[in-house]
Parts: sequence; C-alpha cells; structure tokens
Amino acid sequence: QVQLQESGPGLVKPSQTLSLTCTVSGGSISSGGYSWTWIRQHPGKGLEWIGYISYSGSTYYNPSLKSRVTISVDTSKNQFSLKLSSVTAADTAMYYCARAMATSVWYWGQGTLVTVSS
Amino acid sequence: QSALTQPASVSGSPGQSITISCTGTSSDVGAYNYVSWYQQHPGKAPKLMIYEVSNRPSGVPDRFSGSKSGNTASLTISGLQAEDEADYYCSSYTSSSTYVFGTGTKVTVL
Repeated sequence: QVQLQESGPGLVKPSQTLSLTCTVSGGSISSGGYSWTWIRQHPGKGLEWIGYISYSGSTYYNPSLKSRVTISVDTSKNQFSLKLSSVTAADTAMYYCARAMATSVWYWGQGTLVTVSS
Repeated sequence: QSALTQPASVSGSPGQSITISCTGTSSDVGAYNYVSWYQQHPGKAPKLMIYEVSNRPSGVPDRFSGSKSGNTASLTISGLQAEDEADYYCSSYTSSSTYVFGTGTKVTVL
C-alpha cells in the first residue's frame, strides 16, 4: 500500500520560499505511469491544484502559480518536492502531496499546514 | 483557468437520492472523459470516489455514480446515508494538460 508523507516548515516568512518534501513509501517513485502531484486547500476553502511532475519528468503547473512554482523528484530518496517562491499570506494553506494515475488522484498524503507570517 | 462550478450545498434525507452538478467549459469537462469526484470529511484528506466520469474505485459503494453531458458532469448518491455527509469536489483534466477542481459542495444528511 502506497503511503505519502509531507514534511517541511510549518511557518514561512513573507517573501521567502516555501519548501515541502513528500516521502513515498510502499512503492518506487520511479515506477512508470504515475504523476506526482501537489494540491493545496486554503483554510475553510476548496481544493486548488498546484502542479505535477509526470513519470517522464515533465512538469505542469497551475497557470496562476506557474511563475513561482517548481516541482522536482529525487529518485535516490524516493521523494518529490515543492518550492513556492515569494510567498504571501495568501499562500497559507494545507498542502497535500499525492500520486495520480490516469488523470485521477488515487493516493493522498495527510496534508501539512503551512502558515505565512512574520 | 477558472474553477469548475458546483452548488455550494445539497441536502437530502436518509435513503433519498441527491445529485451534484459540476459545470466547466469545452476546454475541460466538455473536452475529455477525465472527470473525477472526491469526498472529503472534516480534517481528512480527500478520497477518490469516481474516476473517468463514471468509474468507481474498488471499495466505493455502488450508490455513488457519475455521468456527464456536454460541459456538465454529475455525481449522484442514491440511498443517502449518514456517513455520506461530507464535502465533494469534482476535477477535470484540461486542454492545457493541467487540472482544475470544482468549487466544492457540502452534502448534508437531514
């Protein structure tokens, strides 16, 4: 059974870069056919798709965040990561990492709350 | 890309059927049979309930069903049960190779 676990700072200062890592267990991140995805949810609000990196290494980002987002994979650690630059209070949210297959998200991490505040 | 449009809330009594709509455009919902539905209970991560418009993952009760017509997809819950009370989100693949979620619907079991 695949499990995903987010990790990273829970508090980030405005204008800094938010960095999160997702550790995958129960399966290899190098396995073909999957997309490694980041999704966030503002407090009390709906889901927002951030972006994903496909099994081929291609990246796709939400157009509204594209200029600030980078998603990458570290196969040696079976991890993938999210970097979001120039954060503001509007980036305060629960961040989920997830594994998608065939256009749906089948496995989710438990989520990690990131607060942007000085 | 704009969020897909869902009703803010839908309610029903136990045993009844309810339907949640998800309206997009010809660049997302209308363009592909790649609509998914997710259930989210408070404080929990979402759970996949329907993929590719109408397919149920193993373990999802058959009272959950999905369909699509044009730019609008729908999730129907038949025989509503107390544990179905949750937030529901649709999502769709888009012509930009990205994804977009719906605005979310709170289902209340009366």
